[in-house]
Amino acid sequence: RKEVEQDPGPFNVPEGATVAFNCTYSNSASQSFFWYRQDCRKEPKLLMSVYSSGNEDGRFTAQLNRASQYISLLIRDSKLSDSATYLCVVNYAAGNKLTFGGGTRVLVKP
Amino acid sequence: GAVVSQHPSRVICKSGTSVKIECRSLDFQATTMFWYRQFPKQSLMLMATSNEGSKATYEQGVEKDKFLINHASLTLSTLTVTSAHPEDSSFYICSAGYFRDRGTYEQYFGPGTRLTVT
Repeated sequence: RKEVEQDPGPFNVPEGATVAFNCTYSNSASQSFFWYRQDCRKEPKLLMSVYSSGNEDGRFTAQLNRASQYISLLIRDSKLSDSATYLCVVNYAAGNKLTFGGGTRVLVKP
Repeated sequence: GAVVSQHPSRVICKSGTSVKIECRSLDFQATTMFWYRQFPKQSLMLMATSNEGSKATYEQGVEKDKFLINHASLTLSTLTVTSAHPEDSSFYICSAGYFRDRGTYEQYFGPGTRLTVT
């Protein structure tokens, strides 16, 4: 079983719609959680850290459920520029090492 | 967020040669930097943790004699791929980070180096 699992998608989303997807992690000792976005052939860019209380940044809302060991990302009012691969990332080891999920591909269409 | 640069962005080399990749934190000091590799359609895989002033820590399966890491200052880490072979062709990405206000260590990635070994 992978340490961090994501639905690879693609999620085909009409422009203006809302899309949400989850990520599950296997190590209950996980400490920090993040969503990154990665465009084709580019480096990952930090979208947001995910806190236990949940957090929102504009059209993006992330939530953490420690009991069920998953985090979620919701994108409201999708824009064409939101098309990307969204990486779920977990830090559970000493030394701040990150473990990446395989990514969820989102395609926003007009 | 923090800015991390990487150079070169793209390199093509012949089999058997060595390639050096530089990673710099531009607006903060990084005692630790990380080197990743990503093959097409796969996740990023951590290769090693680069520690300023000391030896790098390599992940299982990564040859330390093949991938030489030097972290000589708080803003610069280098990765040298020695005696490169076609199977080393990949996207190499570095990252560096720092602790934010809520105590979370956030990592920022360089733009990556696309290595092609012919």
